Amino acid sequence: QQQVKQSPQSLIVQKGGISIINCAYENTAFDYFPWYQQFPGKGPALLIAIRPDVSEKKEGRFTISFNKSAKQFSLHIMDSQPGDSATYFCAASWSKIIFGKGTRLHILP
Amino acid sequence: EAQVTQNPRYLITVTGKKLTVTCSQNMNHEYMSWYRQDPGLGLRQIYYSMNVEVTDKGDVPEGYKVSRKEKRNFPLILESPSPNQTSLYFCASRKDGINYGYTFGSGTRLTVV
Repeated sequence: QQQVKQSPQSLIVQKGGISIINCAYENTAFDYFPWYQQFPGKGPALLIAIRPDVSEKKEGRFTISFNKSAKQFSLHIMDSQPGDSATYFCAASWSKIIFGKGTRLHILP
Repeated sequence: EAQVTQNPRYLITVTGKKLTVTCSQNMNHEYMSWYRQDPGLGLRQIYYSMNVEVTDKGDVPEGYKVSRKEKRNFPLILESPSPNQTSLYFCASRKDGINYGYTFGSGTRLTVV
């Protein structure tokens, strides 16, 4: 019940394409859903986050789509660039934060 | 610059030799936490602290100790390291309240031989 299931484990996308990473959760007490981006040799960095009272949040090329009834949320990266190649973690929190296992994204130049 | 600073970045040690990984934040954050990152397992919480002198176990606390004597510092102590503690460790902090994102340090890669 406390898990956050993230898919896919790895993803390869052509430059200019749309990258989509999905997460699902069970615990309806979660009320904050952040995404983190991690480059090799660095710590994860907060990318974008959403609360469950909205269905979508957009910041530049990054969009979170949130489906409360399905208990799913996803990260969309529009016009994907080689510089977006990184590992992405979704997370969900209420009194504590639970991370997904990560998606390694590679954008082909 | 707002940041979480961990030291050292890399450490190779031998089984049983006590070590401390330091963590310091300059954002006056109440909440601090330690994670380990292993391939295929993602980020797993070791210990966390909600404020000075308040610490609690995360999901994988065995073999680790922490202390929070000052708000800015949250050291991770391995009293008797073992090879299964070889991992990438991250310290993180955030403001009080759950709806704030973490700021992570740059990581400490620990190898126990």
